[in-house]
Amino acid sequence: DLQMTQSPSTLSASVGDRVTITCRASQSISRWLAWYQQKPGKAPKVLIYKASSLDSGVPSRFSGSGSGTEFTLTISSLQPDDFGTYYCQEYNSYYTFGQGTKLEIK
Amino acid sequence: QVQLVESGGGVVQPGRSLRLSCAASGFTFNIYAIHWVRQAPGRGLQWVSVISYDGMNKYYADSVKGRFTVSRDNSKNTLYLQMNSLTAEDTALYYCARSYSGGYSSWFDLWGQGTLVTVSS
Repeated sequence: DLQMTQSPSTLSASVGDRVTITCRASQSISRWLAWYQQKPGKAPKVLIYKASSLDSGVPSRFSGSGSGTEFTLTISSLQPDDFGTYYCQEYNSYYTFGQGTKLEIK
Repeated sequence: QVQLVESGGGVVQPGRSLRLSCAASGFTFNIYAIHWVRQAPGRGLQWVSVISYDGMNKYYADSVKGRFTVSRDNSKNTLYLQMNSLTAEDTALYYCARSYSGGYSSWFDLWGQGTLVTVSS
């Protein structure tokens, strides 16, 4: 079965910091990867699709890169509203999610 | 208003059944594949099932295969999830989510707010 592994599991950073979250697939998924942000008590919201395409309305400080098995989500300058949990998801086979990265603002 | 609204959650005893519904509005429901995704309390997201735009094709996670059945009524713009033989491991918030395109190889661009299922004696 395809596995998606995110790192780190938790992350604490300050406003203005550059933040990077990594997602690794156990087998190649080409660029069939999305990133979601979930705030407490809310449904997930897509940020990035096809590994690097920014969804409509998502701030340009968010970016995605990678292909095959290694992917990254980068926040260029962390803002207070960016707290939450971030999930990667492959949609090449059975929509497997990573285990999540909880981002806390210092 | 483009939205998905889940309902039907509640407390159910182990071994019993429950049917969830997901009502769509504000978009052309019958051209989209729709998924069920669940999230156990304090845990991550787990994909459960998908149904094609016309209801002809259905796929399930191994953990629910043979126990859960997804269906849809395009005349009512509603998706269903029939859950049988429930166990404590099925306790979760259940979301329905729209596939961006009509096909399967797509991300989820619209989510409902979720309905909570608690399996407990």
